[in-house]
Amino acid sequence: EIVMTQSPATLSVSPGERVTLSCRASQSVSSNLAWYQQNPGQAPRLLIYGASTRASGTPARFSGSGSGTEFTLTISSLQSEDFAVYYCQQYSNWPLTFGGGTTVEIK
Amino acid sequence: EVQLVESGGGLVQPGGSLRLSCSASGFTFSRYWMHWVRQAPGKGLVWVSRIDRDGTTTRYADSVKGRFTISRDNAEKTLYLQMNSLRAEDTAVYFCARESDIPSNYYMGVWGKGTTVTVSS
Repeated sequence: EIVMTQSPATLSVSPGERVTLSCRASQSVSSNLAWYQQNPGQAPRLLIYGASTRASGTPARFSGSGSGTEFTLTISSLQSEDFAVYYCQQYSNWPLTFGGGTTVEIK
Repeated sequence: EVQLVESGGGLVQPGGSLRLSCSASGFTFSRYWMHWVRQAPGKGLVWVSRIDRDGTTTRYADSVKGRFTISRDNAEKTLYLQMNSLRAEDTAVYFCARESDIPSNYYMGVWGKGTTVTVSS
C-alpha cells in the first residue's frame, strides 16, 4: 500500500497570504495525484488531478506541481473560503490512498 | 445538475448489517465507475470500494474485504454498499463518489454529501 504523508498537519495563515501544502508518497505515483478540499460537515471537492491540472471550477489561485513522490498544492492568495482541510490522493496503485490532510486555519 | 444522494445510514449494533444506497441524477450513471469512501469522526478520508460500469468488476480495501459488497443498478441509477459483520471501527460518514471519465484515472470528480453509520451497542 502506498502511504501518503501530508505536511504540515495545520497551517495558520492570514487572508491574502501565499500557502504551500506538501504531499509525499512512499513510492512513485508518477503524476497520478489528486487534491481535494473539504469544508467542515461537507463533502470533499476535487481541486486538482494529474498533479497539476485544475478541475472544472477550481480558481486559478490554486496550482499543483510535482511528480514521482513529491507534490505541492499552492494557493497564491488565500481567500476566506479557502480555510478548509486539504487532502491528496494517489491513484497509481490499489488500494487508493489519501494523505492525512492539512488544515488551513485563520491566523 | 449532477448529483449523488446517499441514504441508509443509521445506528447498528456490532455484528449487524446495513445497506447504503446512493441515488444518481444529472448524468448517465451507467457510463461511470463508482466508489465508496468513508471518513471516521474527526479523521481523514479512506477509500472503501469501487465498481466498474456494468457491475462485474469490484475492488475493496482490505479492512472491508469479505464483509462489504458493492453493487449497482444502472436502470435505477443507484449504487449500493451492503455492509455485514459491522464493527465499531466502521463508524464513519460514507460518501459515494463518481470516478473521472478518463480511463484509468481513479480520482473522484463528484461526491455525495454522505450518510452516517454508527456501530455501537
